[in-house]
Amino acid sequence: EAGVAQSPRYKIIEKRQSVAFWCNPISGHATLYWYQQILGQGPKLLIQFQNNGVVDDSQLPKDRFSAERLKGVDSTLKIQPAKLEDSAVYLCASSRRGGGANEKLFFGSGTQLSVL
Amino acid sequence: GQQVMQIPQYQHVQEGEDFTTYCNSSTTLSNIQWYKQRPGGHPVFLIQLVKSGEVKKQKRLTFQFGEAKKNSSLHITATQTTDVGTYFCAGYSNYQLIWGAGTKLIIKP
Repeated sequence: EAGVAQSPRYKIIEKRQSVAFWCNPISGHATLYWYQQILGQGPKLLIQFQNNGVVDDSQLPKDRFSAERLKGVDSTLKIQPAKLEDSAVYLCASSRRGGGANEKLFFGSGTQLSVL
Repeated sequence: GQQVMQIPQYQHVQEGEDFTTYCNSSTTLSNIQWYKQRPGGHPVFLIQLVKSGEVKKQKRLTFQFGEAKKNSSLHITATQTTDVGTYFCAGYSNYQLIWGAGTKLIIKP
C-alpha cells in the first residue's frame, strides 16, 4: 500500500512569511496527525483529526497555526506568520481507526522548515 | 502534565556491543509503542506492548513493559551499523500518545 505522502520536502522562508504543508494519508485511514519535531527532540503533537473532525488541538499555537482536513482525506497545515522558533520538521502521520490505544502510526517523510 | 522520560539521550557503542534505552512514565500507561527513526528519516513503528510484564523479541531486539505499566526498555544485542538511529518510546495514557525524547544510538568508528 502507498505510504503517507507529504510535500514539500524542504521549505526555507523568512520570518513573518507564511507557509503551508500538505499531507495525504494512507488510503482508508480515519485518523490524521500533524507533529512538530525540533532537532534532537521527540515529536510533539500539534493536531489530531478523526475523519474531518478535530480530536485534539490543545498544543496547536492557534494564533499562528491552522490546519484543516476537508472531506476527511488530505490535510493542510499553515503557519502565518512564521517565527524563527518554528524551524523544525513537520511530520504527518495516519492511523487506521479512531486514534485510540493500540493504534500504530504511519509517518510521512516530513517537511523540513527553516525560518531565517 | 503527563511525561515520559527516556534515557540516555545518546549512547555510543562499538559495533557488536549491546545497547539499552529506558522509558519511565509519570502515569500508568495503557500500552507503550517503540519507533525507530533513521538519520534524516521519519519514525517507523517497531512494536507495541500492552500487558503488564510483557516481553517481546524481534531478532536481536528485546522489548519489556514493566509490571506497573509505567516503564519500558529496549535492548539491542550485538549492535550492527544498520541499528544506527534514534529510538523513541511513546506511551498511551488518558487518550494521548506521549512521546519520549528518544535515545540516539551511535556506532563508534
